[in-house]
Amino acid sequence: AQRVTQPEKLLSVFKGAPVELKCNYSYSGSPELFWYVQYSRQRLQLLLRHISRESIKGFTADLNKGETSFHLKKPFAQEEDSAMYYCALNAYNTDKLIFGTGTRLQVFP
Amino acid sequence: EPEVTQTPSHQVTQMGQEVILRCVPISNHLYFYWYRQILGQKVEFLVSFYNNEISEKSEIFDDQFSVERPDGSNFTLKIRSTKLEDSAMYFCATSASSETQYFGPGTRLLVL
Repeated sequence: AQRVTQPEKLLSVFKGAPVELKCNYSYSGSPELFWYVQYSRQRLQLLLRHISRESIKGFTADLNKGETSFHLKKPFAQEEDSAMYYCALNAYNTDKLIFGTGTRLQVFP
Repeated sequence: EPEVTQTPSHQVTQMGQEVILRCVPISNHLYFYWYRQILGQKVEFLVSFYNNEISEKSEIFDDQFSVERPDGSNFTLKIRSTKLEDSAMYFCATSASSETQYFGPGTRLLVL
């Protein structure tokens, strides 16, 4: 079965500290993976997707097929990064997104 | 930048009543989706819609649910006879090419 696991419900760091939000997936094929972010009182927004291999707002994520992981990283967290982060998987030949439970990132000044 | 919009933002209804949730997609988008998020739980896929028909649906999307695009612009989700467990945040999403999905702000449905 396809599944996305985000083991941390809450991650708290101080401004300037490195951040890693973990995401593991379960899927036998080649998935498309995404990170969505939801700032307070705002909609879900795409942060990045693995096939574009870009850095958005200083965040990067590398797909590790051996570890079935797609962890989100940022070397220096900012207060404005505080938000809910969702990892999502799109399996081959389907449009639906399968979401993890989300990790709330709190960045303290 | 164009955005997906949803109405109403909040809806309170009595159990057994019908509700219709509305979504206005981004104008050139052809793929439409509904997701829901029960409080404290993950965002769950309900249904996808393309070319005026359902392309995929989840187990949650039973006979009480239906979708349509009645006037070529709005994309609606109807729940015929609401149950308490239908209380959730309902998100519409749309995409141009079945790749990146853009989400609306959601409708919070409360069934009493």
